[in-house]
Amino acid sequence: GAVVSQHPSRVICKSGTSVKIECRSLDFQATTMFWYRQFPKQSLMLMATSNEGSKATYEQGVEKDKFLINHASLTLSTLTVTSAHPEDSSFYICSATSGGDTEAFFGQGTRLTVV
Amino acid sequence: AQRVTQPEKLLSVFKGAPVELKCNYSYSGSPELFWYVQYSRQRLQLLLRHISRESIKGFTADLNKGETSFHLKKPFAQEEDSAMYYCAAGGSTLGRLYFGRGTQLTVWP
Repeated sequence: GAVVSQHPSRVICKSGTSVKIECRSLDFQATTMFWYRQFPKQSLMLMATSNEGSKATYEQGVEKDKFLINHASLTLSTLTVTSAHPEDSSFYICSATSGGDTEAFFGQGTRLTVV
Repeated sequence: AQRVTQPEKLLSVFKGAPVELKCNYSYSGSPELFWYVQYSRQRLQLLLRHISRESIKGFTADLNKGETSFHLKKPFAQEEDSAMYYCAAGGSTLGRLYFGRGTQLTVWP
């Protein structure tokens, strides 16, 4: 299967700072990428859909000014958590698809801890 | 609102026993249903999707629109089936998925 890689795998940041998480498709062109958030022992919650070259579409209840998503190329999408607070601590997962009827492939996730 | 319900958080069976992981959904429109699996320390991967009607690793799932269910079944569980299983529903945008909370399956030797 295709490979999607997230970087970093873990990050600790201070409250009030911003942190960027990268999601890369390594061996295919990802026309669409998705960002999810997973709280401990809970399900994945879809945050936003990101299409290359256009603005992300956010799910209801997700603050777009808080979670900035950029999908500048067909192999890279970034999620920036701005002015992070401890309640933003979570596991963030991306997935990517090349479009059509192909499945979406998941990254390994990024554990964000805000102290 | 779109919702996927997996009532069992944990499920344990012995090797060779049948296993069924339950999934019910509430979704406006005609969703596509999926089962994803996450083995220990690995990423999520697609196990099967209802439109393909395939059997993967001995697992099958039938979409029951009347009961809005998509239960995952395997007649004879194996130890290597131990993993977290997520049911998910999606619409026309492939990859835009709503997940259930997951069921941790443990298969004892």
